[in-house]
Amino acid sequence: DQQVKQNSPSLSVQEGRISILNCDYTNSMFDYFLWYKKYPAEGPTFLISISSIKDKNEDGRFTVFLNKSAKHLSLHIVPSQPGDSAVYFCAALTSGTYKYIFGTGTRLKVLA
Amino acid sequence: NAGVMQNPRHLVRRRGQEARLRCSPMKGHSHVYWYRQLPEEGLKFMVYLQKENIIDESGMPKERFSAEFPKEGPSILRIQQVVRGDSAAYFCASSETLGTANTEAFFGQGTRLTVV
Repeated sequence: DQQVKQNSPSLSVQEGRISILNCDYTNSMFDYFLWYKKYPAEGPTFLISISSIKDKNEDGRFTVFLNKSAKHLSLHIVPSQPGDSAVYFCAALTSGTYKYIFGTGTRLKVLA
Repeated sequence: NAGVMQNPRHLVRRRGQEARLRCSPMKGHSHVYWYRQLPEEGLKFMVYLQKENIIDESGMPKERFSAEFPKEGPSILRIQQVVRGDSAAYFCASSETLGTANTEAFFGQGTRLTVV
């Protein structure tokens, strides 16, 4: 059973526009969420995170929104740049544990 | 400060051989995690180790797979008698303290195992 789902395997966006990547989860015990970015042949790199006590966290061009009632979070990238082209993984965690539960990823392609 | 180092980057093994994957955590990190990514899937937790101790191996297949993190040297993920289904990318991550909220884990570049 997939507790963290990224239903869009791929997304294409024009440079300068907004990229919105979505993630849904089923386990209400999750209270910390992270986004990782992964280039081919490299390991995942931490991008941004959010605690369940917040509904928004912003870091430069990256903003993560959390809707607990809908068990949904999204990553907004504004403006999108060609260097943002990568696979983005959503991950969830329950406080006091160490097992990151990853989604299957969304491949973002930013077109110049 | 070097990041998490994994070697080899690529490993090809014939069915029935043994595969040894190494992971050197970041300096000062004593918590190591192994994840596996099968094609078209997300990363799946395998095992969590601290120095000389396996804390949680609930994600690791019960047979043929083992992991260690000795007092000296890297963490080793060992797969005996490999089968084609073991072909995957294996990622190691480390953290300074327990990898819970506010302590993100840093990932290595992974080892891509291909079983032929």
